[in-house]
Amino acid sequence: DAGITQSPRHKVTETGTPVTLRCHQTENHRYMYWYRQDPGHGLRLIHYSYGVKDTDKGEVSDGYSVSRSKTEDFLLTLESATSSQTSVYFCATGASANEKLFFGSGTQLSVL
Amino acid sequence: GESVGLHLPTLSVQEGDNSIINCAYSNSASDYFIWYKQESGKGPQFIIDIRSNMDKRQGQRVTVLLNKTVKHLSLQIAATQPGDSAVYFCAESLANNAGNMLTFGGGTRLMVKP
Repeated sequence: DAGITQSPRHKVTETGTPVTLRCHQTENHRYMYWYRQDPGHGLRLIHYSYGVKDTDKGEVSDGYSVSRSKTEDFLLTLESATSSQTSVYFCATGASANEKLFFGSGTQLSVL
Repeated sequence: GESVGLHLPTLSVQEGDNSIINCAYSNSASDYFIWYKQESGKGPQFIIDIRSNMDKRQGQRVTVLLNKTVKHLSLQIAATQPGDSAVYFCAESLANNAGNMLTFGGGTRLMVKP
């Protein structure tokens, strides 16, 4: 998994609570991404980062925020979790803008 | 791990046969294409990639074909093995300085019969 660690691996939370997922990489990759994976929708981009403190929205960014204060860490926050955010979340990294991405093992989030 | 894609298209092949997985992509301007393999409970794993200036690229037991005229991508796996059983995703992108934002297809489940 190219030195990508996602935490937690599993989480169950209640509607309306804040949740933060963490992605940590040891590859010194510049680019980092958060995707969610749902049956029938495949993988969809939530947010991405192209450097420390440089982030932008992806296809399904509503209800999510991100932060990247250092190269190795990319945090995904659900300010007030909803049941529609129940999903598997994957972090990915890339060394350059036009090369393959490496994925972490995922975080399974259930919002009850 | 959670089952992803409960209603995925499924390709069932006999061990030792060749497999061909097809993908239609959406953006004619995309210049980079990639295939990933995903096993249950794991993240997508890179298999092979190809750029738009190529029609074919070969790896170890895998070949990717790109037909830009009809926006079609295929993955060929030679001598399919039980360990090849997984969900396979194609992805496309038009990279810029902000990163490589991959757009994924829905996936195909490959089942290898011993």
